[in-house]
Amino acid sequence: AQSVTQLDSQVPVFEEAPVELRCNYSSSVSVYLFWYVQYPNQGLQLLLKYLSGSTLVKGINGFEAEFNKSQTSFHLRKPSVHISDTAEYFCAVSGTEYGNKLVFGAGTILRVKS
Amino acid sequence: KAGVTQTPRYLIKTRGQQVTLSCSPISGHRSVSWYQQTPGQGLQFLFEYFSETQRNKGNFPGRFSGRQFSNSRSEMNVSTLELGDSALYLCASSLVGGSSGNTIYFGEGSWLTVV
Repeated sequence: AQSVTQLDSQVPVFEEAPVELRCNYSSSVSVYLFWYVQYPNQGLQLLLKYLSGSTLVKGINGFEAEFNKSQTSFHLRKPSVHISDTAEYFCAVSGTEYGNKLVFGAGTILRVKS
Repeated sequence: KAGVTQTPRYLIKTRGQQVTLSCSPISGHRSVSWYQQTPGQGLQFLFEYFSETQRNKGNFPGRFSGRQFSNSRSEMNVSTLELGDSALYLCASSLVGGSSGNTIYFGEGSWLTVV
């Protein structure tokens, strides 16, 4: 089965520092890529998505992600994080090779420290 | 525009009982999917309904079932509850779902505790 790998289970970072959350997927054919954020005791909120076109995707709250087809990666970045960015972040992939459903990575907990 | 609404938000059930969870999708969305979230297994796909038909199904036992009504509202049912069914159950809706690339919007979830 096709998989989605989030390489870091937790990422601690100081406030105002840059951050990168890594995501790799296994399929080599066309996919749709998503990043979701989950705050404590809440559902998932879409940060951004890549369908086609420009490989740099900008999302909400200052986040952006870059699609790299050769490395099958879709890493999430933010140049300067805030305490309020503390949450769990999920990378997700959909496409025919993923069974026509969203397949999620295991999640990365971003802890922003003051 | 109202988001995806799930009820109840929290519930506690006893092992062996059954439970029904409800989901109202965003107006105009015809696809409703359900996911189970647990600390050990993460987010796992249960099933997807589109136009009252189950279009896709994950790898869960037959105790997990669902249905969709003509107004796109959906329910999922878990029978003969086991302790391992304790989880956050998330409902998600999108315009057409599948692998269309449509944005999938999630509800706040229903927290189920089985004791």
